[in-house]
Amino acid sequence: ELKVEQNPLFLSMQEGKNYTIYCNYSTTSDRLYWYRQDPGKSLESLFVLLSNGAVKQEGRLMASLDTKARLSTLHITAAVHDLSATYFCAVDITQGAQKLVFGQGTRLTINP
Amino acid sequence: SQTIHQWPATLVQPVGSPLSLECTVEGTSNPNLYWYRQAAGRGLQLLFYSVGIGQISSEVPQNLSASRPQDRQFILSSKKLLLSDSGFYLCAWNRPSETEAFFGQGTRLTVV
Repeated sequence: ELKVEQNPLFLSMQEGKNYTIYCNYSTTSDRLYWYRQDPGKSLESLFVLLSNGAVKQEGRLMASLDTKARLSTLHITAAVHDLSATYFCAVDITQGAQKLVFGQGTRLTINP
Repeated sequence: SQTIHQWPATLVQPVGSPLSLECTVEGTSNPNLYWYRQAAGRGLQLLFYSVGIGQISSEVPQNLSASRPQDRQFILSSKKLLLSDSGFYLCAWNRPSETEAFFGQGTRLTVV
């Protein structure tokens, strides 16, 4: 059974600081997604990583994928309050239709 | 452009009552469709997916069922709700040839 584990599950940080969220998974996959969820809201797609070594950046967020290590990271640079949300990674184990296995989520709180 | 509609947004139902949640996608044809459930403070769990009309695959045994009566319509149902059915239900879609999934706004179901 595929397991997707995020670390940490809760993160409280100050504005202006840098931090990294880790996503480890237990089976072979070369497709991984990062989503953002605001409280009570749906999921917003942030990054789609489709190959080993893929790196994508959008504003203060940067995501990378190492399929050999089965690890993805979401790096936050100079955090701002607006980035407070829950972040999910999801591993694609598509067999026919797409199947996403989600991590538990990392609840990020950025304090002014 | 493509849009996904999911309703209702919130629902409070008594134990033992039936359930019907509806999801429709506009602006595309023959999408893959998905139902996910998110328990409070947890990640998302894939419940059902469909690659075509009348084709439903179930991922976990449960008190729920799904149907796809039309190409862009996906319905989640239950004959008798349990307390454990409470959660945040999300419909999602993607094109069969692509990997990225897009989520609806979600339905928050509380079974009392």
